[in-house]
Amino acid sequence: KNQVEQSPQSLIILEGKNCTLQCNYTVSPFSNLRWYKQDTGRGPVSLTIMTFSENTKSNGRYTATLDADTKQSSLHITASQLSDSASYICVVSRLSGGYNKLIFGAGTRLAVHP
Amino acid sequence: DGGITQSPKYLFRKEGQNVTLSCEQNLNHDAMYWYRQDPGQGLRLIYYSQIVNDFQKGDIAEGYSVSREKKESFPLTVTSAQKNPTAFYLCASSIQGEISGELFFGEGSRLTVL
Repeated sequence: KNQVEQSPQSLIILEGKNCTLQCNYTVSPFSNLRWYKQDTGRGPVSLTIMTFSENTKSNGRYTATLDADTKQSSLHITASQLSDSASYICVVSRLSGGYNKLIFGAGTRLAVHP
Repeated sequence: DGGITQSPKYLFRKEGQNVTLSCEQNLNHDAMYWYRQDPGQGLRLIYYSQIVNDFQKGDIAEGYSVSREKKESFPLTVTSAQKNPTAFYLCASSIQGEISGELFFGEGSRLTVL
């Protein structure tokens, strides 16, 4: 079954600390993996997109890693800020009938406290 | 500014009523999508359209209808046949069908059935 599992479900950290969010998937055939940030009550915004051949990609203080062999990805946030408080969604793209079908994880809700 | 505009932001509906959610984009994107987001679950695809005057059912199309008469517009009607319509609805667009990767989301519409 094609699934995307994220952990932890929620996380609280202090401002300035680092954190790592996990994403495990069983999607096949794999096309790409994306991380989105979603502020409460808003639409998701893309952070990174990684293909099979990429194992690290950065976007400012956000660094995503991908291990296609173990089907795991992580999103590392460095020197967290209050504005990082949001849900982070892992999305895996699966090739299906000639186009990509997106499978969404349930997200990790991050709260950054002062 | 280019982007996707969803309206209304909040909508209340009585049981048995149809409601229509608006989605307009000025990104000149060919493909548009409607997703439903429920607490603790990943986004689920309702309908998508790759070109004008054509659309396809997603994973949870029952109780919903769409039209794509213009490239810029992709309205979603939540009909009385949808048994559990209370949710957060997200419209998205991409340059091509999801092959291209980058998916741009609107700010969402929250529908509550009274």
